[in-house]
Amino acid sequence: EDQVTQSPEALRLQEGESSSLNCSYTVSGLRGLFWYRQDPGKGPEFLFTLYSAGEEKEKERLKATLTKKESFLHITAPKPEDSATYLCAVQGISSGSARQLTFGSGTQLTVLP
Amino acid sequence: DVKVTQSSRYLVKRTGEKVFLECVQDMDHENMFWYRQDPGLGLRLIYFSYDVKMKEKGDIPEGYSVSREKKERFSLILESASTNQTSMYLCASRGTVYEQYFGPGTRLTVT
Repeated sequence: EDQVTQSPEALRLQEGESSSLNCSYTVSGLRGLFWYRQDPGKGPEFLFTLYSAGEEKEKERLKATLTKKESFLHITAPKPEDSATYLCAVQGISSGSARQLTFGSGTQLTVLP
Repeated sequence: DVKVTQSSRYLVKRTGEKVFLECVQDMDHENMFWYRQDPGLGLRLIYFSYDVKMKEKGDIPEGYSVSREKKERFSLILESASTNQTSMYLCASRGTVYEQYFGPGTRLTVT
């Protein structure tokens, strides 16, 4: 059974204070690891897909990296508008069905001005 | 851009009512999904569909049914709403790649 654990549960940063969010995963075979951003009361917004260890993706102040056991979402010089819950999900080869994602519980990020 | 829309942002229903939540995507995606999201429990898959008229149960299908008569539309039905079905309901769709695209969500309150 695929498993995803995100840490920390909550993170408070000052504006400009860089940090990283962690996503540890266990899958029988990884098809893809996904990062989403979710604002309160809204649906998750897709950010990145990572397929293999060593891969990196960037978007503005966000950079996602992947190893064989975990992924990091690095936030460089964050701004208050980066405040949101960040979700990590995996698609494994044998995750019940080939079409299902397994989600972590998320990291709630607050960036203070 | 992928667009997934849901019929209502907020809905209030009474216990025992039949509730329909509708989801429409405009990207000709084959796969569509219904989740519910609750504090402390995260996203849980209710049902998904991989083709018109095809469906599979997710992790928590009890008390729900679905309908997919057209490729772009996927409906979630609460046959007899109960208070423990008060939740945020999220629809998602997926094409040939693995990432899912979500709608804005429907906040359902059952009183």
